[in-house]
Amino acid sequence: SQKIEQNSEALNIQEGKTATLTCNYTNYSPAYLQWYRQDPGRGPVFLLLIRENEKEKRKERLKVTFDTTLKQSLFHITASQPADSATYLCALGGGGSQGNLIFGKGTKLSVKP
Amino acid sequence: NAGVTQTPKFRILKIGQSMTLQCTQDMNHNYMYWYRQDPGMGLKLIYYSVGAGITDKGEVPNGYNVSRSTTEDFPLRLELAAPSQTSVYFCASRKGQHTEAFFGQGTRLTVV
Repeated sequence: SQKIEQNSEALNIQEGKTATLTCNYTNYSPAYLQWYRQDPGRGPVFLLLIRENEKEKRKERLKVTFDTTLKQSLFHITASQPADSATYLCALGGGGSQGNLIFGKGTKLSVKP
Repeated sequence: NAGVTQTPKFRILKIGQSMTLQCTQDMNHNYMYWYRQDPGMGLKLIYYSVGAGITDKGEVPNGYNVSRSTTEDFPLRLELAAPSQTSVYFCASRKGQHTEAFFGQGTRLTVV
């Protein structure tokens, strides 16, 4: 069955450092991968989408890479701030099932001042 | 625009009762989704729809039913509530493939 793994449940870093989150998947050939941010008690909010033929995408302090050979995506937040503290979810879509969008468990990021 | 609206926000059900979680979107999106989120477990896909009249099972469909009679609405039905269905339920919609999903604010359901 399809499986998505996000490298750790929690990640603690110091303000100003770069946070790197990992998303690995198996038994799936996604056409694209998305990253979302979720704050406590709220629904996820979309951040970035990267397609299978793209290696890297950037948006302000965010950068996403996608390696279909390794079946892995890396999500980077540079110059992290306490306001970046949240849970970050990766999601896979496309592949064999039209419309399907499945999520990983998420990584809870805490940025300490 | 209201986006994706879910009702109710909170609900307590007794074992064996039934209820419908409502979800409506005003963005004319084709794709709609129902997820449940348990603590530390991420989002699990229950059902999804790629258009009116079309629905498909996700990862955890047992105990649930859906319908999609209009583009705007995608209700989730629980027929015989069980404690295992205690969770936070999120509805989401998006225009199509390769597009971002918009989520509702969630429904916190407790079955006792």
